[in-house]
Amino acid sequence: DIVMTQSPDSLAVSLGERATIKCKSSQNVFTSSNNKNYLAWYQHKPGQPPKLLISWASTRESGVPDRFSGSGSGTDFTLTISSLQTEDVAVYYCQQYYSVPLTFGQGTKVEI
Amino acid sequence: EVQLVESGGDLVQPGRSLRLSCAASGFTFDDYAMHWVRQAPGKGLEWVSGIDWKSGLIAYADSVKGRFSISRDNAKNSLYLQMNSLRVEDTALYYCVKGHSSGCCSDWLDFWGQGTLVTVSS
Repeated sequence: DIVMTQSPDSLAVSLGERATIKCKSSQNVFTSSNNKNYLAWYQHKPGQPPKLLISWASTRESGVPDRFSGSGSGTDFTLTISSLQTEDVAVYYCQQYYSVPLTFGQGTKVEI
Repeated sequence: EVQLVESGGDLVQPGRSLRLSCAASGFTFDDYAMHWVRQAPGKGLEWVSGIDWKSGLIAYADSVKGRFSISRDNAKNSLYLQMNSLRVEDTALYYCVKGHSSGCCSDWLDFWGQGTLVTVSS
């Protein structure tokens, strides 16, 4: 199984400041056949279901604010919130879909 | 509007069975793979099982293999999870989740239901 490890487990960021979350996979999730990284990011707010933010490591889902961006390749990935807003308080998960079983990182809690 | 509504969660004793259901609407159900993902209290997300659009390909997490069975009824726009030999560690909020594509299971998960709570305790 591919193990996904996020860092940090939690972080506190001031309003308007940048939040950076790292995700590392135990195996390469990049495929040269289509030049894609099989990596997604989700936002999970209390009392709500998780919400897809980003697929293919850097493709924002429709409707997701452009302050959210994903980057990285191979085994190392980053989710950046460029200017933290109150509504961004949540737990963020990375997930690989390169192979079954699908696996998630342990989550990163973002607070103000 | 995509809607996924789970039901069937309950308090059950260890060793008993439970069947979860998910009613889907707002999209062409039989065009997409479907999944179950769970979250134990205070823990992160754990993928449980996935099924492709025509039930031809199914996959399970090792933690539930041999005990859980996923199925779908495209005529009823419904997804199911039959859970047998339940253990205390199966206690979790179970989410019904739509896959992005028709195949199973290397896919991202683009829409999640609200979840149904399963509690396994004596």
